[in-house]
Amino acid sequence: DTGVSQNPRHKITKRGQNVTFRCDPISEHNRLYWYRQTLGQGPEFLTYFQNEAQLEKSRLLSDRFSAERPKGSFSTLEIQRTEQGDSAMYLCASSPRKAQSTDTQYFGPGTRLTVL
Amino acid sequence: GDSVTQMEGPVTLSEEAFLTINCTYTATGYPSLFWYVQYPGEGLQLLLKATKADDKGSNKGFEATYRKETTSFHLEKGSVQVSDSAVYFCALANYGGSQGNLIFGKGTKLSVKP
Repeated sequence: DTGVSQNPRHKITKRGQNVTFRCDPISEHNRLYWYRQTLGQGPEFLTYFQNEAQLEKSRLLSDRFSAERPKGSFSTLEIQRTEQGDSAMYLCASSPRKAQSTDTQYFGPGTRLTVL
Repeated sequence: GDSVTQMEGPVTLSEEAFLTINCTYTATGYPSLFWYVQYPGEGLQLLLKATKADDKGSNKGFEATYRKETTSFHLEKGSVQVSDSAVYFCALANYGGSQGNLIFGKGTKLSVKP
């Protein structure tokens, strides 16, 4: 399977715990995006990487959130001290080269986080 | 800032009916426009896209035309099937004002009955 993969697919945690999600992009895609989708809404942009550099972060990404992409391959998104409002689907997408108007972002299946 | 507005659902149609899902956008410059589809239990998939004014994107019988004068990108299909039941998202990417992250509408759930 050469698509974007995300792990875990589901995560249930208690409020105040830390969680970490992983995204493996399509091989050789140098751009990687994280989005968050809540029920009944479209995905909202969180952050993106070009290779290992984190180039943009949304205002949605509070200081409890941190993302990394060591070596420009897989990426991790960590949420510290989770809150019930963090419950959402976290989506990862990758695209093949420098952003151009015709580039397509390919999405993974998402990680569904439930904070109790 | 940039934004996308699409018609709210849910939309329920009978098989072989005509489908229109309205989408309008607000953006500076010349964004690219997309329709993504999310089938039950699956991830987002690109359905079609258009990168400049008057371009028509098409795929699987769906089509949408980039209308700059009306800032619209309405999705249409002449004859829907039960297998088209899904949530459809209109989105834009503005490479002039950002690094190409997608801005999505809220989604429209389509249910097609046999």
